[in-house]
Formats: sequence, structure tokens, C-alpha cells
Amino acid sequence: AQSVAQPEDQVNVAEGNPLTVKCTYSVSGNPYLFWYVQYPNRGLQFLLKYITGDNLVKGSYGFEAEFNKSQTSFHLKKPSALVSDSALYFCAVREGGSQGNLIFGKGTKLSVKP
Amino acid sequence: GAVVSQHPSRVICKSGTSVKIECRSLDFQATTMFWYRQFPKQSLMLMATSNEGSKATYEQGVEKDKFLINHASLTLSTLTVTSAHPEDSSFYICSATFVGGGNQPQHFGDGTRLSIL
Repeated sequence: AQSVAQPEDQVNVAEGNPLTVKCTYSVSGNPYLFWYVQYPNRGLQFLLKYITGDNLVKGSYGFEAEFNKSQTSFHLKKPSALVSDSALYFCAVREGGSQGNLIFGKGTKLSVKP
Repeated sequence: GAVVSQHPSRVICKSGTSVKIECRSLDFQATTMFWYRQFPKQSLMLMATSNEGSKATYEQGVEKDKFLINHASLTLSTLTVTSAHPEDSSFYICSATFVGGGNQPQHFGDGTRLSIL
């Protein structure tokens, strides 16, 4: 069965420092991996995805993620955090690499302090 | 970019009433729409998958008679919470994918905060 794990409930970072939000997955076959961000009382916004190709994927708002097949990870990163990056981040994997259901991690709350 | 509009954003109503939530894809056609429920401080739980012109596929444990889903066109899906009770209070989010989307991301509405008194 497919699954996604986000091992950290919360990540605290000082503004200007690099940030990493961790995600590991378990899926049969090739994974389609996604990162979404959720601001309070809002729906999810798409940040980036990995389908195939380069392991380093660049997305919105300066975020990037690195696909590591051997470690089955897809960590979200940003070189320099902003206070406005504070939000809830969800990692997700698509079943079977098709237009199917997304399976979400439990989410990681990112708090960036000035 | 792809925009999904969800309406209303917030509903407060008495126990026993039915509430309809609309999910529209504004600038693309969506063969598939998904309905999620999010509990406080928890991840999203998929409730059902809605395919245009056919019956929705409900996840295990979701009452299909309680949560009625209609996907009558390629741009509109509705979720009706029938005879709502306080335990139905939650944040409901819809998402949609393009026609022939394959590896396209889902695009999410802004969610509906449902509060049943």
C-alpha cells in the first residue's frame, strides 16, 4: 500500500536561514510526488511536483525538492526562509502514477521567526 | 493558472439542515474532482472521487447517503451534507484535475468551513 510520512509535526527556522521539510514515501512502481502549502483557512496550493527527469525540482516561491530514490525521500527545501513562508506543508504521492487519488502526509507546520 | 472555486467559504447552520457545497473549475475542464475532509491539526482525508457523468466513488467509512456528490458537468461538482449534525463540522476541500491530466497536479479550492450548531 502507498503511504507518505512527514516525520516532523513542526519545523522552526529563523528568517534568512535555509529550511528543510522532510518527506518519505512508500509506493509500488514509480512515484508521482507533490508538495502543497496550506495557509490558515485556505485550500491547498500546489508548490511543485516530481514525475520524471531531474531529481532536483524547482517550484513556486523559491521552493525546491530533491527526489532520492534510494532513500525514498522527497524533502522540500528553500535556501533562505521568509516569515511569509510560515504555513502548513503537505507532501503527497499519487497512486500508480496515474490520474488517481493523492495520498497525503499528515502535514508539517513551518514557523519562520524574524 | 488553473483555478478552482469553492463556495461557500463558511457555513454556520442548525443541526438537521442540509448544506450544499459547490466546486467549480473556472478555466479548465475537470473529468475528475475529489472531495476531502480535514480535521483540526490533521491531514486531509479523501471522502470520494467524483467523475463527470457517473456515480461518485466513496472511500470506506464515508456514508454515501450522508454526503451526496453530484458531478453533472465538466466544471461543477457539488457535495451535499444531508441532515447535518455537530460531528459533521469540519473543513471540506475539493480539488480537480484536467481532462486527460495524467501526471498533472490536482488544483484545490479554498475550502469550506462547516459549523453545525
